[in-house]
Amino acid sequence: QVQLQESGPGRVRPSQTLSLTCTVSGDSVSSGAYYWSWISQHPVRGLEWIGHIFHSGSAYYNPSLRGRVSISVDTSKNQFYLKLTSVTAADTAVYYCARARGCSGGSCKFDPWGQGTRVTVSS
Amino acid sequence: QSVLTQPPSVSGAPGQRVTISCTGSSSNIGADYQVHWYQHLPGTAPKLLIQGDNTRPSGVPDRFSASKSGTSASLAIAGLRPEDEADYFCQSFDSSLSGFWVFGGGTKLTVL
Repeated sequence: QVQLQESGPGRVRPSQTLSLTCTVSGDSVSSGAYYWSWISQHPVRGLEWIGHIFHSGSAYYNPSLRGRVSISVDTSKNQFYLKLTSVTAADTAVYYCARARGCSGGSCKFDPWGQGTRVTVSS
Repeated sequence: QSVLTQPPSVSGAPGQRVTISCTGSSSNIGADYQVHWYQHLPGTAPKLLIQGDNTRPSGVPDRFSASKSGTSASLAIAGLRPEDEADYFCQSFDSSLSGFWVFGGGTKLTVL
């Protein structure tokens, strides 16, 4: 059974960098069949795809976040990571990691997801 | 503010049938990109419910079905059960800008 688990600080100060880790069990981030994704759920604007990374390190980001977001992968630890710089209150959200499959032609579906970790941006 | 628009809430009595709509545009659902549906129970991981417009992953009851037409899609739940009470959201791909994956705002289903 594939499981993903997010971890990281629950509070980040404005203008600082949000850093989260997703630990994968039951599958390998080295698998060439999947992308490894981050998705956020905001109180007002709902769910937002942040980006995802392939095992090779190729990453794709939401255009609205480009310049602030970075996703990386460590195949030796079977983990992938999210960094979001210059955070503001608008980045307060629940952050999920998920496995993306069947992405040909844009048809990615996210399965499974982690349970999510809540991050509050506040001083 | 979500790219895909869903009603905030729907409700139905046990045994009834409800539908949840997901309205997009010509750059996502209307461009014939696949629509996927998820079920999200509070405090748990969202679960893929319907993939590829109307395909149920293994283990999902056939009470759940979906359809797509034009720039909209819909999820139907027949024979409502109390355990169906959850948030449901749709997801597709949008070809505007550089292309990215988009979600609906979610619909809270209440089983009366």
